[in-house]
Amino acid sequence: EIVLTQSPATLSLSPGERATLSCRASQSVNTFLAWYQQRPGQAPRLLIYDASNRATGIPARFSGGGSGTDFTLTISSLQPEDSAVYYCQERSNWPQTFGGGTKVEIK
Amino acid sequence: EVQMWESGGGLVQPGGSLRLSCAAPKLTFNNYAMSWVRQAPGKGLEWVSVISGSGGSTYYADSVKGRFTISRDNPKSTVFLQMSSLRAEDTAIYYCAKITDFWTGYVDYWGPGTLVTVSS
Repeated sequence: EIVLTQSPATLSLSPGERATLSCRASQSVNTFLAWYQQRPGQAPRLLIYDASNRATGIPARFSGGGSGTDFTLTISSLQPEDSAVYYCQERSNWPQTFGGGTKVEIK
Repeated sequence: EVQMWESGGGLVQPGGSLRLSCAAPKLTFNNYAMSWVRQAPGKGLEWVSVISGSGGSTYYADSVKGRFTISRDNPKSTVFLQMSSLRAEDTAIYYCAKITDFWTGYVDYWGPGTLVTVSS
């Protein structure tokens, strides 16, 4: 089973600032990695798939990068509605796994 | 836009059973794996079970193996999760989740979730 480790656990930034979230895999997942956003009280939604492709309807301020074992999600200019928990997920084979999440707080 | 919704959650005593259902009527259902993902209060996301597009392959998390059974009815675009021998640690929001491919993949559509509470 592949373990995904996300850091930091919490990120507290002001509107307009840049947020960089990290996801590290215990072994290579090539570029088979996704990012999800979960706002309070809502189901998650897909932001990024295959490491760097934005899902339908996702604003351009969200971007993903990386390959192998190290990945990043960048929010270029934080908006109040970006306050959420962000999860990474790999799709190598079952059991597929989620990371533990990074909480983004807007000051 | 694909819409999915879960039903069947509720309060159940330890050792009891529940059957969750997820309907996705506008989906070309048999092309995609379907899964159940749960989230305990204040915790992260956990895969519970997945079933392939044809229904021929299934996966269960170790925490539910032997107690939960996933199935699907492709003509009715519905997936089920039969849960038995429920424990307090099964308390969570259960999300129905559509996988992007026939077996492994990402989740591109999520249901709103149904709360399962296991308590006496």
